[in-house]
Amino acid sequence: KAGVTQTPRYLIKTRGQQVTLSCSPISGHRSVSWYQQTPGQGLQFLFEYFSETQRNKGNFPGRFSGRQFSNSRSEMNVSTLELGDSALYLCASSLVARRGGYYEQYFGPGTRLTVT
Amino acid sequence: GQNIDQPTEMTATEGAIVQINCTYQTSGFNGLFWYQQHAGEAPTFLSYNVLDGLEEKGRFSSFLSRSKGYSYLLLKELQMKDSASYLCAVREGDTDKLIFGTGTRLQVFP
Repeated sequence: KAGVTQTPRYLIKTRGQQVTLSCSPISGHRSVSWYQQTPGQGLQFLFEYFSETQRNKGNFPGRFSGRQFSNSRSEMNVSTLELGDSALYLCASSLVARRGGYYEQYFGPGTRLTVT
Repeated sequence: GQNIDQPTEMTATEGAIVQINCTYQTSGFNGLFWYQQHAGEAPTFLSYNVLDGLEEKGRFSSFLSRSKGYSYLLLKELQMKDSASYLCAVREGDTDKLIFGTGTRLQVFP
């Protein structure tokens, strides 16, 4: 079974530009979560999608947005990039997302975004 | 508020035992996860605790005390390949979000 895939793996953008990152979950997984990882802050939750609906959102500005398609693939978009947005963006998928239930998240390799 | 604390770095010797602690304060509690992340790679799932007590999985064990907001990951018979960052994460009860600590970087020396 193929794992979580993310594209592109590396990206260099300039301040003020926008960027779209893509995530394909493991087949059959309907929940997709996005995280930002930086050396100082660790892994920070961005948002979670389940059945094309945003189920949860972290404490990030509105410049960060996402969506999920009917095939469970997800994209996240960052507009008006800032230097501080340089980070590793990780996507994770899981089998179910029922509240209070246990689910294991499988992470993709991440997209390394550098903003200059 | 939400807060998850882990030591930033730890070192240990091959063959030894190491315990990585994690304390948390979150809005409700729906389980605690431990992940391993090697440099430049994605985190991989190690363990899950939702009830008090010890969960054992081979060389790795994880303990939880909900009343104390405390967990630890115990690694036995350390190997060089165990050098990695270990991430503690808590699922908030109120929101179901998975909140991560900043991770503990473990270095295993021969």
